Amino acid sequence: GAGVSQSPSNKVTEKGKDVELRCDPISGHTALYWYRQSLGQGLEFLIYFQGNSAPDKSGLPSDRFSAERTGGSVSTLTIQRTQQEDSAVYLCASSYELAGFWKTQYFGPGTRLLVL
Amino acid sequence: GENVEQHPSTLSVQEGDSAVIKCTYSDSASNYFPWYKQELGKRPQLIIDIRSNVGEKKDQRIAVTLNKTAKHFSLHITETQPEDSAVYFCAASVTGTASKLTFGTGTRLQVTL
Repeated sequence: GAGVSQSPSNKVTEKGKDVELRCDPISGHTALYWYRQSLGQGLEFLIYFQGNSAPDKSGLPSDRFSAERTGGSVSTLTIQRTQQEDSAVYLCASSYELAGFWKTQYFGPGTRLLVL
Repeated sequence: GENVEQHPSTLSVQEGDSAVIKCTYSDSASNYFPWYKQELGKRPQLIIDIRSNVGEKKDQRIAVTLNKTAKHFSLHITETQPEDSAVYFCAASVTGTASKLTFGTGTRLQVTL
């Protein structure tokens, strides 16, 4: 079946502009995660959704970052007033949540954001 | 919170040799440990994972071992091939209502002919 998809694949923006990144999870997956990967670095957790609610937002770097999920499916990560340090690959992952069981996370291809 | 350390950061082996990547974690409540492979410009792909109720798991040329007492786990790749060249990430998670993965910083494996 279709995997996790993300759009756009690449985004170049000017410092101070707002950007929106989209994630379409695997159909039926109830959990959705956003991670950030800076050049040559590991993956940094940003936020997690269970359904439409976000029980863990602990990784969001600042109040310029926000995310929402509607209909238990598509999620949008918004970065306001972008800064050059926001340049990174933003990865989305989804999993099927079942209480008490371990859940494999499947990643999307990422959105490569460059802030000039 | 959880902290995962990964070593080495780069590893070069000859084709046919074995490669070992090691990770340590800090949160004794962590009970799920996946390994992801990321080829250049591609998404991370799960290659193997282990739960805390077992000490070792093997899948063809790949194996993972877990030492809960010492809080470390390792990835072993035998008979390496050029297509094994990639960045490998370990991760740790506590299953529950928030199953975020805490990743290591990655190991760049280069398999030379």
